[in-house]
Order: sequence, then structure tokens, then C-alpha cells
Amino acid sequence: DTAVSQTPKYLVTQMGNDKSIKCEQNLGHDTMYWYKQDSKKFLKIMFSYNNKELIINETVPNRFSPKSPDKAHLNLHINSLELGDSAVYFCASTRQRGLYGYTFGSGTRLTVV
Amino acid sequence: QQQVKQSPQSLIVQKGGISIINCAYENTAFDYFPWYQQFPGKGPALLIAIRPDVSEKKEGRFTISFNKSAKQFSLHIMDSQPGDSATYFCAASKEGSGNTPLVFGKGTRLSVIA
Repeated sequence: DTAVSQTPKYLVTQMGNDKSIKCEQNLGHDTMYWYKQDSKKFLKIMFSYNNKELIINETVPNRFSPKSPDKAHLNLHINSLELGDSAVYFCASTRQRGLYGYTFGSGTRLTVV
Repeated sequence: QQQVKQSPQSLIVQKGGISIINCAYENTAFDYFPWYQQFPGKGPALLIAIRPDVSEKKEGRFTISFNKSAKQFSLHIMDSQPGDSATYFCAASKEGSGNTPLVFGKGTRLSVIA
């Protein structure tokens, strides 16, 4: 199936731990994103990568570090997790810098306890 | 500062009725205005999108109306069905050269009741 796939779907972890979320797209898209959806469903851009190059880094704590080993993958590593990091994280991709709409993954629900 | 304002926050519509969700944007550089539909436990999925060179776009029961001078756009769902019950997000971005990522409204939770 052509899609944007994220792993894991659920992640429960303790405060202070370090965790990673992986994202892969097989759509041949050039640009990938990480969005955070809070408990009120608000979707906010975190990072944007185009062909493995970071092009947008919104105001997020530097505990969050994206890594793109190739244009089909964009991973999110989070250090020293805090309670406020609990949210659903969505990966998305698009071709040609935003043209034709975004395809979202099904999300990773992160719960920090 | 919220760049895309969406209303209402929640909406209850009778089956067969018309659902209307409104959005307003601030950045005149935006040139792409999509609507996304999200079901519980799923990612947002593109429903329909419009660019400022047209004032209306229709796809099946879904219509976007766009008013460039007022910087507003809306989603109309005709003959609303229980299966349409979901959260709907409007969004805006600038595409192509100098592009910006999608900025989303806060969402509208639609419930269609039989």
C-alpha cells in the first residue's frame, strides 16, 4: 500500500526518558513534516524537511530533534521527555514543496507518565 | 497569533441537512486552502481544496466557497450523513517557491444525527 506509515502507534513512557518515532513514506514525495496535535485537537507544525534538508524549524524545545536519513524517512527523537510532551504526533508528506496537498500518517499517541 | 480562525467549534446537524463550517485567514500570501477530515484514531485526510483563482469548488456533496476580498472560505456538506461525523479542519499555505507549511484552524467537531 502506498502510504505514510508511522511507528509506533502508541508510546507510553516515563518522564525523563528518551524516545524516537519513525516515519516512512513510499509516495515519492520530496517534503516531509512533523505535526503535533494536542488534547484539544489543535495541529501545529514542528518541522519540515525537503530532500533531507531541514527547511522549517518552528519554536519547539531543542529536546526535539528530527533526522532524515533519506527523503523517504523522517524520524523524530525526543530527549528528556516531559508531561507536556504528551500528544499525538503526525508525520506528513507532500510533493514539490506543498503542491497537491499533504498525506498524513495515522499518528503516534505519546503518553508521558 | 492564530493565522487561520475556524468556527464553529462543534456542530450538530440532522441527517440530510447542510453542514457549514467557516474559516478566516490573515496572511494574504496564502494561495492554497484545503479542508481535511479526521476520524478518531486516524490522521487527517484531504477532503477538498481550492486556490484563490476560483470562488467555488464542488466535489460530490462537498463544496468550498471562497471570498478573497473578505479572506474567508467555507465548507458546505450537503445531505449530511452519519458517516460524515468527524472533525474537520480548514488550513492554508503558500505553495511553490517560498512555500510555507499548512497552518490549520482549530477544528470543528461535526455530529450528524439520524
